[in-house]
Amino acid sequence: DGGITQSPKYLFRKEGQNVTLSCEQNLNHDAMYWYRQDPGQGLRLIYYSQIVNDFQKGDIAEGYSVSREKKESFPLTVTSAQKNPTAFYLCASSIRQGEQPQHFGDGTRLSIL
Amino acid sequence: DQQVKQNSPSLSVQEGRISILNCDYTNSMFDYFLWYKKYPAEGPTFLISISSIKDKNEDGRFTVFLNKSAKHLSLHIVPSQPGDSAVYFCAASGIYNFNKFYFGSGTKLNVKP
Repeated sequence: DGGITQSPKYLFRKEGQNVTLSCEQNLNHDAMYWYRQDPGQGLRLIYYSQIVNDFQKGDIAEGYSVSREKKESFPLTVTSAQKNPTAFYLCASSIRQGEQPQHFGDGTRLSIL
Repeated sequence: DQQVKQNSPSLSVQEGRISILNCDYTNSMFDYFLWYKKYPAEGPTFLISISSIKDKNEDGRFTVFLNKSAKHLSLHIVPSQPGDSAVYFCAASGIYNFNKFYFGSGTKLNVKP
């Protein structure tokens, strides 16, 4: 079955540390997205990638970085510059750019120790 | 500042009755709207969409209505079933950037048997 795999499901980070969230898809989708969800708020776009080796900042990119070296992988690094990283992170994909996110992973919950 | 708002965090409906989930938006440049459904511990799944050239789109038990003058959309589920119990997100995008979708905070629907 095709889909998006996010790992780990729960992640704990010490203050000052960088941490990388994994997102892998076997759908052969061109576009991939990272969203952040906080209590009482909608999903907010962090970064998106329309094609391999290309990515664009979303609305809340500060303190985050991404890479897209392979079509199936879009890892998100939460850097120590992100002042409030505790949140639920969702990765998504769409067949091609310009289409709505069609598949989402099950998410990673990041907490600061 | 949230551009897409779902003001009802929860809704409880009896099985067989109609469920109406509401969504408001502030950006008049939005022209494409979607609803997603999310079960606990899973990522959201795409449910139904509507573009601004239409005011209604129907798919089985699900109908989305768009009122552009009021900047309001709603999702009707008729008849509601216990399996419809989930969190429903509305989302919107605009002609200026198809890759950016703005999400509401979600409404938790509980359909009672």
